[in-house]
Amino acid sequence: AQTVTQSQPEMSVQEAETVTLSCTYDTSESNYYLFWYKQPPSRQMILVIRQEAYKQQNATENRFSVNFQKAAKSFSLKISDSQLGDTAMYFCAQGAQKLVFGQGTRLTINP
Amino acid sequence: EPEVTQTPSHQVTQMGQEVILRCVPISNHLYFYWYRQILGQKVEFLVSFYNNEISEKSEIFDDQFSVERPDGSNFTLKIRSTKLEDSAMYFCASSSTGANVLTFGAGSRLTVL
Repeated sequence: AQTVTQSQPEMSVQEAETVTLSCTYDTSESNYYLFWYKQPPSRQMILVIRQEAYKQQNATENRFSVNFQKAAKSFSLKISDSQLGDTAMYFCAQGAQKLVFGQGTRLTINP
Repeated sequence: EPEVTQTPSHQVTQMGQEVILRCVPISNHLYFYWYRQILGQKVEFLVSFYNNEISEKSEIFDDQFSVERPDGSNFTLKIRSTKLEDSAMYFCASSSTGANVLTFGAGSRLTVL
């Protein structure tokens, strides 16, 4: 069975700091994708970044980057120069058509 | 930027009533999905739909649930006889291929009293 675990229920940092959110997963599939979604108070699911498991290079999207360790089944998200608008729930997800989500990390950026 | 549109944004219903949640996926997408998020919990997969039939469904998607693409643009989720535990945010999503990025709608909040 596929599982996704986010071990940090809540995190809080000061504006402009760098923060790393952790995610581990388990799957028997050889080809899969990993995602980080942001859910602001409006509860909309917004894609932050995507990683294809067959690619060794870590994905980067502006201030957001991942550290993908395939052997360890780890997929952490780094947010650099954090902004107040980054405050949200962040969900790690794994799969392709059927996504399995983690429990989420509530991130608060303080002014 | 193309988006997935969901209606209604919030629906309140009495237990035992039928509810239909509607979604307009992105026009050139071929794969459609429903996910559910009970308040304070993680997002859970309900069902995927391709080529006018269900391609996969979870244990949650029991006989009280059904999906339909009635007119080539809308994608609906019907809950036949709602229960209190059906109260949740329901997200529709679509993708252009079966292994591509899912674009989620803003969600429909269902409250069952």
